Amino acid sequence: GNSVTQMEGPVTLSEEAFLTINCTYTATGYPSLFWYVQYPGEGLQLLLKATKADDKGSNKGFEATYRKETTSFHLEKGSVQVSDSAVYFCALSEAGANNLFFGTGTRLTVIP
Amino acid sequence: DSGVTQTPKHLITATGQRVTLRCSPRSGDLSVYWYQQSLDQGLQFLIQYYNGEERAKGNILERFSAQQFPDLHSELNLSSLELGDSALYFCASSVGVTGSETQYFGPGTRLLVL
Repeated sequence: GNSVTQMEGPVTLSEEAFLTINCTYTATGYPSLFWYVQYPGEGLQLLLKATKADDKGSNKGFEATYRKETTSFHLEKGSVQVSDSAVYFCALSEAGANNLFFGTGTRLTVIP
Repeated sequence: DSGVTQTPKHLITATGQRVTLRCSPRSGDLSVYWYQQSLDQGLQFLIQYYNGEERAKGNILERFSAQQFPDLHSELNLSSLELGDSALYFCASSVGVTGSETQYFGPGTRLLVL
């Protein structure tokens, strides 16, 4: 079946620190991979996505590369800001299916 | 603002009751998805509709049902409510049905069952 395993949180970083949130997946086919972000009191927003192996998704300084050999899609940012404090969800969508399978979410807190 | 609207924002009700959650997708989107977010189960897919037809079903209880109307808005009906149904219910929409499409999420309806 399909599943997503995310790094346990919470994660607390100082402003300008480097961020990595690990995400690995299990899928029977060739999924599309997503990172969604949920700011306090809001719905989920797409942060970035990649639809095939070796694709790199990027947005707002965040990046993630679709690694088929390690079944991973780790989220990185070189220098986090206080405004990046949120919960980050890794998700996959199987080819031919439409629903998203989500990881458990990782809460990031950035302190000044 | 994703363009997806959900009403109501908050709902407080009692066990055994029935409620209806409403979702309006982004203009032009034909697919609507419902998700449940709870502390113990995380974010789970419930059901998807595409252009009025049920397309996919996830972990949706038999006490729950949904439909999508000709104007493409969708309603999620939850009946015989239990304490464990307390959760945040999200609606999302996308243009079509391919797995690579971005889903746009509404702000959610927070349901509290007392």
